[in-house]
Amino acid sequence: QVQLVQSGAELKKPGASVKVSCKASGYTFTDYSLQWVRQAPGLSLEWLGWINPDGGGTQYSQNLRGRITITMDTSARTAYMELSRLRSEDTAVYYCAREATRGLDLDHWGQGTLVTVSS
Amino acid sequence: QSALTQPASVSGSPGQSITISCTGTSGDFVPHNYVCWFQQHPGRAPKLILFDVNNRPSGISNRFSGSKSGNTASLTISGLQAEDEADYYCSSYTTRFTYVFGTGTRVTVL
Repeated sequence: QVQLVQSGAELKKPGASVKVSCKASGYTFTDYSLQWVRQAPGLSLEWLGWINPDGGGTQYSQNLRGRITITMDTSARTAYMELSRLRSEDTAVYYCAREATRGLDLDHWGQGTLVTVSS
Repeated sequence: QSALTQPASVSGSPGQSITISCTGTSGDFVPHNYVCWFQQHPGRAPKLILFDVNNRPSGISNRFSGSKSGNTASLTISGLQAEDEADYYCSSYTTRFTYVFGTGTRVTVL
């Protein structure tokens, strides 16, 4: 069955960077784009960006451009989301999700990774 | 890109129908049909319930339906059930392969 397993919770200081991993299994890794979404405590979902494992193309939210980088290791079937120059407002649960076809139809989600930014 | 606007809360009694709106700025939903709806129960990851405006993934109840008109998309839940109590989010393609979510709606079953 399709599974997306994310790395564990992180506690970071302001100004630091965090790298969250998302390991895929149960399907052909290069056949589906992976999207990243976050949710701050008590707030709505926020789209962050995507990577196409078939070629490595990426796109990012304008709100985070310059601070976010999404990469992948095809041999490890793993995608990574790195966010730099962390601020307290970046405290959130970060999710990776598989896009079934197009248009953000996210049919499988990771369990989420809590990133806490605090001094 | 600003979030799409949804009502903060909607409520209904079991068996009733409710509709949640998702409003963008002019052009947010035109000329594509890349509108999705997600259901999220507390402490859980979101779950896709509609894609391409009004298509249901396998296993999703036909009590969920969607529509789009102008700069507003809508989700209708018919035959409301206790298990439908959750947060609901819309999403839409914007430009240059970027996306935006709605502000979210808390559905309460009275």
